[in-house]
Amino acid sequence: EVQLVESGGGLVQPGGSLRLSCAASGLTFSSYSMNWVRQAPGKGLEWVSYISSSSSNIHYADSVKGRFTISRDNAKNSLYLQMNSLRDEDTAVYYCASAFYSSGWYVDYWGQGTLVTVSS
Amino acid sequence: QPVLTQSSSASASLGSSVKLTCTLSSGHSSYIIAWHQQQPGKAPRYLMKLEGSGSYNKGSGVPDRFSGSSSGADRYLTISNLQSDDEADYYCETWDRNKRHWVFGGGTKVTVL
Repeated sequence: EVQLVESGGGLVQPGGSLRLSCAASGLTFSSYSMNWVRQAPGKGLEWVSYISSSSSNIHYADSVKGRFTISRDNAKNSLYLQMNSLRDEDTAVYYCASAFYSSGWYVDYWGQGTLVTVSS
Repeated sequence: QPVLTQSSSASASLGSSVKLTCTLSSGHSSYIIAWHQQQPGKAPRYLMKLEGSGSYNKGSGVPDRFSGSSSGADRYLTISNLQSDDEADYYCETWDRNKRHWVFGGGTKVTVL
């Protein structure tokens, strides 16, 4: 059974930093591309960032470019999101999600999410 | 960049069927999409990948009551024999091959009457 377990969320002041982690099991993590997707309270899903299996390709949504950094450690089956210069509008549940390619990329597994609250 | 358009809500009676639509923007009608279900207070769950041909591949454990189909730029999710458990938000998702970004539709809230 595939499990993606996020951690590291919490309350942080505007301008602060936070590092999210995602521990993966039940899949060959080193072969999987991964994403971070977030959901603000009462809103829909918003893609945040993507990293390829070997970390050779990385992409960010315009809303977080220059502030967030995605990374992974395949030896530890772990995905990370370093979030700097946090803003009120970054408040959301952050999901770790694996991506699969078959005629196009799509998300095939989701974690349970971790809540990030940016507030003074 | 592809845009995915979904109706904000849909409702149907227990035991009946409902068909949800996700429409791809002009120039992107060949794109594959994925459907995801998000029950209240829970994380999203992958339901299926759906191609422009109408061919679909469901995730592990997704009931046979869930099926997909396509027509032009429209991608459909049909839920048959609606159960109370099916009351959820349903999102479609695709990948922008040019910007290499993911795109989500706004979601459809399904209410079981």
